[in-house]
Amino acid sequence: DIQMTQSPSAMSASVGDRVTITCRASQDISYYLAWFQQKPGKVPKRLIYAASSLQSGVPSRFSGSGSGTEFTLTISSLQPEDFATYYCLQHHSYPYSFGQGTKLEIK
Amino acid sequence: QVQLVQSGAEVKKPGSSVKVSCKASGDTFRSYAISWVRQAPGQGLEWMGGIIPKYGTTDYAQKFQGRVTLTADESTSTAYMELSSLRSEDTAVYYCARQYYYDASDAFDIWGQGTMVTVSS
Repeated sequence: DIQMTQSPSAMSASVGDRVTITCRASQDISYYLAWFQQKPGKVPKRLIYAASSLQSGVPSRFSGSGSGTEFTLTISSLQPEDFATYYCLQHHSYPYSFGQGTKLEIK
Repeated sequence: QVQLVQSGAEVKKPGSSVKVSCKASGDTFRSYAISWVRQAPGQGLEWMGGIIPKYGTTDYAQKFQGRVTLTADESTSTAYMELSSLRSEDTAVYYCARQYYYDASDAFDIWGQGTMVTVSS
């Protein structure tokens, strides 16, 4: 099974900061990786698919990069509405697996 | 508007079973696989299994093998997740989500609204 190691598990940042979250896969998953944002009590929302493609309607301050085993989600300039929990998902092969999540809090 | 609509909240006794439905609109059933994901209170997302309704093929996470059954009814465009031998640790929100069958890179764009399952004596 493919393990997804996401880091950091939590972080605090200020509005306007640049933030990077990393996911590492235990084996090559090509570009079959998606990033999600989840706010308390809400359904996860897809931000990035195919490692680097921006979901329609998602602000351009969100970007994804990587392939193989190393992936990053970058928020170029944090906005108040970006404070949430972020998850990566590998869907290269069954069983699919999520990262443990990164809780992004206001500093 | 494409959407996945799930059945309502459930309260179950330990040892019983629960069956959650996920009704799809549009051409979802002809062109998509459906995955089930759960989230225990205060915890992360956990993939449980997936089904391709067009073929009825399924895959399950090892953790749930033998306890979860995924099915789909093409006539009503509805997918089902049944979890048996419930225990308190199964208390969670259960989601369905779709993945485009013809482009595997396009996964989990649409999610159901979630179904809260509470297991309590």
